[in-house]
Amino acid sequence: EAGVAQSPRYKIIEKRQSVAFWCNPISGHATLYWYQQILGQGPKLLIQFQNNGVVDDSQLPKDRFSAERLKGVDSTLKIQPAKLEDSAVYLCASSRLETEAFFGQGTRLTVV
Amino acid sequence: AQSVSQHNHHVILSEAASLELGCNYSYGGTVNLFWYVQYPGQHLQLLLKYFSGDPLVKGIKGFEAEFIKSKFSFNLRKPSVQWSDTAEYFCALANDYKLSFGAGTTVTVRA
Repeated sequence: EAGVAQSPRYKIIEKRQSVAFWCNPISGHATLYWYQQILGQGPKLLIQFQNNGVVDDSQLPKDRFSAERLKGVDSTLKIQPAKLEDSAVYLCASSRLETEAFFGQGTRLTVV
Repeated sequence: AQSVSQHNHHVILSEAASLELGCNYSYGGTVNLFWYVQYPGQHLQLLLKYFSGDPLVKGIKGFEAEFIKSKFSFNLRKPSVQWSDTAEYFCALANDYKLSFGAGTTVTVRA
């Protein structure tokens, strides 16, 4: 089966600019996750969707980050405005209910 | 709240040496546990998982992990590592549909 697709792979923006990331999960996977992975740290959950509803967004900085999952399939994560500390790899993952998650290649964001 | 802690930040060993990576979690209820691996330049991949049953689980590439409920631990082991095992290893805990990761352990295997 096809894996989790993410784009772009790399992005460099200036602080205060906006950026959006896209994720296409594995077909049939109801759960979709967005993680932020800062260099040297483990992935931190930003938001989790079950179909198109939000299950957990407790660690999402809602003043600048937003995410949506229209029609319960693709998802976009947006940062507006970006800060230097947002430099990280943004990982998208998907899973069937209560099974292991499959990860995409990630988007490496550099904010300068 | 659930959390995962990994004891070692960076482990360096020689080929053919044995590897054990520690993972402890805090959560009082039923948990699903995972070890993921991230090879250089690649995405996170599942090594093995524990949902229930035999607490000793075997994964890909000769890895195994033991779930010890009384110690809240899920340590990863491999009897003889290869250079290709150089990677970052993450322990993860799933409960109530939430998947939480430890900080990771970087393993460097010297030829």
